[in-house]
Amino acid sequence: DIQMTQSPSSLSASVGDRVTITCRASQGISNSLAWYQQKPGKAPKLLLYAASRLESGVPSRFSGSGSGTDYTLTISSLQPEDFATYYCQQYYSTVWTFGQGTKVEIK
Amino acid sequence: EVQLVESGGGLVQPGGSLRLSCAASGFTVSSNYMSWVRQAPGKGLEWVSVIYSGGSTYYADSVKGRFTISRDNSKNTLYLQMNSLRAEDTAVYYCARAPKSWGQGTLVTVSS
Repeated sequence: DIQMTQSPSSLSASVGDRVTITCRASQGISNSLAWYQQKPGKAPKLLLYAASRLESGVPSRFSGSGSGTDYTLTISSLQPEDFATYYCQQYYSTVWTFGQGTKVEIK
Repeated sequence: EVQLVESGGGLVQPGGSLRLSCAASGFTVSSNYMSWVRQAPGKGLEWVSVIYSGGSTYYADSVKGRFTISRDNSKNTLYLQMNSLRAEDTAVYYCARAPKSWGQGTLVTVSS
């Protein structure tokens, strides 16, 4: 199975900060990567798919990039509503896998 | 409007069985990739299973041989049959129209 290693596992940031979260796959996944945001007690919300395609209705401060095995989620200017846990997920193989999550906390 | 509503969760003893249902509206289950994802208390997301539009099914190693994903096209509903349940299967189970739409989740607790 493809392993997804997400880093950091947590970070503290201030409103207005630029935040970057990375996800590394154990083998190439040809941009078959989604990013989700999850708030406590809620279902995950899709932010981006195909590594860089923004889901409809998601603010443009969220962006994704990468190729091969290495992918990045960037929040250009952190807003109060962005404090949450973020997950990457690969859907390249028939067995899909998530990263372990990155909790973004208020500094 | 796309909507997914899970049901069937509850308390079950180790070794027992449970069937989760996910009633879909606003789209056709059989035309989409449908998956189950779970989240143990205080833990991250764990992908469980997927059924492709063509009917192929795949499972995480942790549930292979114990869980079965299926769908009823006439009811536009997704299912997860869970057998030989273990304490480590305790989690909120989400169904998803991969990757865009998610249900609210249903809690499964495996305990004696």
